[in-house]
Amino acid sequence: AQSVAQPEDQVNVAEGNPLTVKCTYSVSGNPYLFWYVQYPNRGLQFLLKYITGDNLVKGSYGFEAEFNKSQTSFHLKKPSALVSDSALYFCAVSGISGTYKYIFGTGTRLKVLA
Amino acid sequence: DAGVTQSPTHLIKTRGQQVTLRCSPKSGHDTVSWYQQALGQGPQFIFQYYEEEERQRGNFPDRFSGHQFPNYSSELNVNALLLGDSALYLCASSRLGGGTQYFGPGTRLTVL
Repeated sequence: AQSVAQPEDQVNVAEGNPLTVKCTYSVSGNPYLFWYVQYPNRGLQFLLKYITGDNLVKGSYGFEAEFNKSQTSFHLKKPSALVSDSALYFCAVSGISGTYKYIFGTGTRLKVLA
Repeated sequence: DAGVTQSPTHLIKTRGQQVTLRCSPKSGHDTVSWYQQALGQGPQFIFQYYEEEERQRGNFPDRFSGHQFPNYSSELNVNALLLGDSALYLCASSRLGGGTQYFGPGTRLTVL
């Protein structure tokens, strides 16, 4: 079955430190991979995506993600965390066998401590 | 450039009632997808519309139905509401061909 896993419910990091939010996927073929962020009582905001090409993808607000095909991972990273980065982060996968739906992980709550 | 808009913002219904949620896609987008996000969960795909036709459907019962209009806006209808239908309903729009989906702010549905 196709799935996306975000193994950490919550990640705590000090402001100014690097952050990593983990995502692994289990799909057939070459999927499209996405990261979204959700603030309280808001919809999802697109951060970045990987389709093909360079394994390091740069996105909005200083975030980047590294695609690793052998480990089937797509971890979200940022060199220096801000308190305003505190939010709920979702990894998603699409493009599986010609499907159009996104399959989302369960989300990781990021808390950046001042 | 207006993004994806949804109405209403909040809605309270009782079991057995019917509800209609509305979505206007981002300018230039022709495809609309609907998702249900239960509390503490990731969004779950309900269905996707393109050219006024349902193109793909997730694992949701027939009580969930939709429509897309010629101007690409869309409605999600839920009949015979259950307590378990309480959730945030998200609409996302994209361009045909699997373009990135952009989400609206959602409609919070509470079923009592």
